Amino acid sequence: EIVLTQSPATLSLSPGERATLSCRASQSVINYLAWYQQKPGQAPRLLIYDTSNRATGIPARFSGSGSGTDFTLTISSLEPEDFAVYYCQQRYVWPPLTFGGGTKVEIK
Amino acid sequence: QAQLVESGGGVVQPGTSLRLYCAASAFTFSSHGMHWVRQAPGKGPEWVAFLSHDGRTIYYADAVKGRFTVSRDNSKNTLFLDMNSLRADDTAVYYCAKPLWEYSYGEVFDYWGQGTLVTVSS
Repeated sequence: EIVLTQSPATLSLSPGERATLSCRASQSVINYLAWYQQKPGQAPRLLIYDTSNRATGIPARFSGSGSGTDFTLTISSLEPEDFAVYYCQQRYVWPPLTFGGGTKVEIK
Repeated sequence: QAQLVESGGGVVQPGTSLRLYCAASAFTFSSHGMHWVRQAPGKGPEWVAFLSHDGRTIYYADAVKGRFTVSRDNSKNTLFLDMNSLRADDTAVYYCAKPLWEYSYGEVFDYWGQGTLVTVSS
């Protein structure tokens, strides 16, 4: 099973600042890494798939990069609606599909 | 756009059974493999089960293998999850999730239902 480790657990930032979230895989997932955003009481929402492809309707301030075992989600300038929990997920080796433990982006 | 609506959750005692439902609409259900994903309170999502579009391929997480059964009725656009021998650590919100691509076995989820809460407690 591929384990995904996200860091930091919590990121405290102000609106307008840049957010950089990390996801590290226990073995290479090539580029088969996705990112989701989740707000309280809601289901996860797909942001990025296959490292850098934005899902339909996702603003350009969200971008993804990386390869192999190290991946980054960047939010170039935080909007008020971006404060949420973010999860990474790999689809390279499954079952099982695995998710990271999440990074909470909170208002500083 | 696609819609997924789960139902069937509730409060049950350990060792008992429950059936969850996922009603799909606004996409070609019979062309998509479907997944169940759960999320325990305060935790990240955990993948539970996959059923291919034609019902021929099934995968389960080790934590539920032998206790849970996933099935589907393509004529009714409905996905099911039969859960037996429920344990306290099965307590979670259960989501059905639609993969981005048809007929694909490489999975990212572009639509999720609103979830149904299963609480296993004595």
